This record gives sequence, structure tokens and C-alpha cells, in this order.
Amino acid sequence: KAGVTQTPRYLIKTRGQQVTLSCSPISGHRSVSWYQQTPGQGLQFLFEYFSETQRNKGNFPGRFSGRQFSNSRSEMNVSTLELGDSALYLCASSLAPGSTDEQYFGPGTRLTVT
Amino acid sequence: QQQVKQSPQSLIVQKGGISIINCAYENTAFDYFPWYQQFPGKGPALLIAIRPDVSEKKEGRFTISFNKSAKQFSLHIMDSQPGDSATYFCAASNLGGSQGNLIFGKGTKLSVKP
Repeated sequence: KAGVTQTPRYLIKTRGQQVTLSCSPISGHRSVSWYQQTPGQGLQFLFEYFSETQRNKGNFPGRFSGRQFSNSRSEMNVSTLELGDSALYLCASSLAPGSTDEQYFGPGTRLTVT
Repeated sequence: QQQVKQSPQSLIVQKGGISIINCAYENTAFDYFPWYQQFPGKGPALLIAIRPDVSEKKEGRFTISFNKSAKQFSLHIMDSQPGDSATYFCAASNLGGSQGNLIFGKGTKLSVKP
């Protein structure tokens, strides 16, 4: 069974631009969560999607948004990029929120904002 | 209330030794405690997880010890190997409340010397 895939793997953007990252969960998994990883703040929860609905949201500004499609694939968008948005963005999938306890992470998208 | 505190920040162990990483939490609603292992350039991989109804769980060389009254849990790596050199993260979530998001500790960088 293929793992969680994320595209692109690396991205360089300029301040003020916007970016869209994509995540394809493990086949059969319907819940997708996004995390931001930085050296200073560690791993921080961004949001969680299930059945195309955002179920939970972390403490991030409104510039960070996401969505989930009917095939469970998910995208996250960051608008008006700031230098501090440089991070590894990780997507994790699970069968469903709350009913299962195993989240599997993708390799991440390394975003660099210059 | 949501924080998970992890220690030590870094750890150096000789090959064959025991590596011990500790975590503490405040939120008594947490009911799922996983440990993740992350190698450079990779996403976190689930190593082992425990629920609060048991005090210990062992999988191969990896053991989680859980102390509900102290709100602490730890990861023990027996017979540590150079291949175990990675960053380890403890995490917690409230699955019973259908909160699938993981709250992570800051991570422990483990180096196993040959």
C-alpha cells in the first residue's frame, strides 16, 4: 500500500506570494491533518479534514487555509507569504478522526520564503 | 493545558546502552500517547503508542512506560544501535473527544555512538 504522498517536495517562494501544497492520503484513509515543523516551534497542528469538512483548526492566522476533496486528497494554501512561513509542511492521514489512533505522515514539503 | 513537555533535548548513548526519553502532559483529557521517530529529510514515523489504561507497552527493543497519576510517559530504547540515531517526538491527543490532532513535544535528538 502506498504511503502518504506530498507534492511538491521543495518550493521556493518570495514574500507576498501565495502557495498551494498537495497531499494524497493512504488509500482508504479519509482523515487528513496538516502540521508545520520549524526548528524553533517544533511540530504544530494546522488543521484537520474529514469528509471534505474542516473538523479542527490550530492556532494559525487566516492566511493558512485548506480543503479536502471527495477523493480525500487535500490541499493547503498559504497566502501573502512571510519569511516566518519557511518550514517543513507535513501531511498526515488516518482512517478517521477519533475512531483510530494511527496517523501516518508524508515526507513533507520544504517551503522556503525569501 | 495543551502542552507536552519533552526531555532531554539531546541524548548521546553508547551502542548497546539504554536510551530514555521522558514526556509530561497537563491535559487529563489526553487518551492516546504515540512516539514518533524522524530521520533527516523524512516525515515522522509512528514507532509505538499507548493508551492510559495500560502502564507499559513493549514492541521489540522499544518500550513505553506510562504513569497516569504523574501525567508522565517515557520511551525506553534497549540495546540502542547507531541506526536508532534520529529525532524522537512524543505526542498526545484526545481521541475520545474526536480530536485527532496531535500535540507534540519539542523532540529529542538521539545519537548512538558505535
